[in-house]
Amino acid sequence: NAGVTQTPKFRVLKTGQSMTLLCAQDMNHEYMYWYRQDPGMGLRLIHYSVGEGTTAKGEVPDGYNVSRLKKQNFLLGLESAAPSQTSVYFCASSSLGQVSGELFFGEGSRLTVL
Amino acid sequence: ELKVEQNPLFLSMQEGKNYTIYCNYSTTSDRLYWYRQDPGKSLESLFVLLSNGAVKQEGRLMASLDTKARLSTLHITAAVHDLSATYFCAVDIDQGGKLIFGQGTELSVKP
Repeated sequence: NAGVTQTPKFRVLKTGQSMTLLCAQDMNHEYMYWYRQDPGMGLRLIHYSVGEGTTAKGEVPDGYNVSRLKKQNFLLGLESAAPSQTSVYFCASSSLGQVSGELFFGEGSRLTVL
Repeated sequence: ELKVEQNPLFLSMQEGKNYTIYCNYSTTSDRLYWYRQDPGKSLESLFVLLSNGAVKQEGRLMASLDTKARLSTLHITAAVHDLSATYFCAVDIDQGGKLIFGQGTELSVKP
């Protein structure tokens, strides 16, 4: 019963370093999302994907890139990390065929940029 | 610009009391979601409201949706400590699963 799995769970970066967060889901969902959560600001959508090979920008896409080469995986990349990207990142997925459109979330990845 | 606003942002309640959390949004949508988040944890789905007038209840929580007023409420009845958490509403802005979240309401229920 894995659901949505994010790796790594924790990471510390120095300003200017790059990294990739991996999200994997085993529910055969078409839609996948990356959100960031900051205190007092709720969750903000970074990028999302409605299917393999497609991506789209969300509310706060600058400084991030994404790829969806396989249906089950959604990667979030930071090419040159900045302290403003210190946050908790959540991946989520949902099913096109599901009437409710409910999102299923991963456990989160805590990123600190020094 | 789309806005999803919750109030209050912080709520301290005594056990046994009732209260309501409000979620206002600025665009037309008939899909609204409520999630719960415990400290350091992920988000757990509470309610999915898919039409005007929808009402859902689970235990001491009841959620409703008024799409004409662009308002959803989460009502807490006879609060207990276990309900202490942060509650988020989220609006599906394009019927395609793109959810925009409110800021969250941090609820603390004290004995």
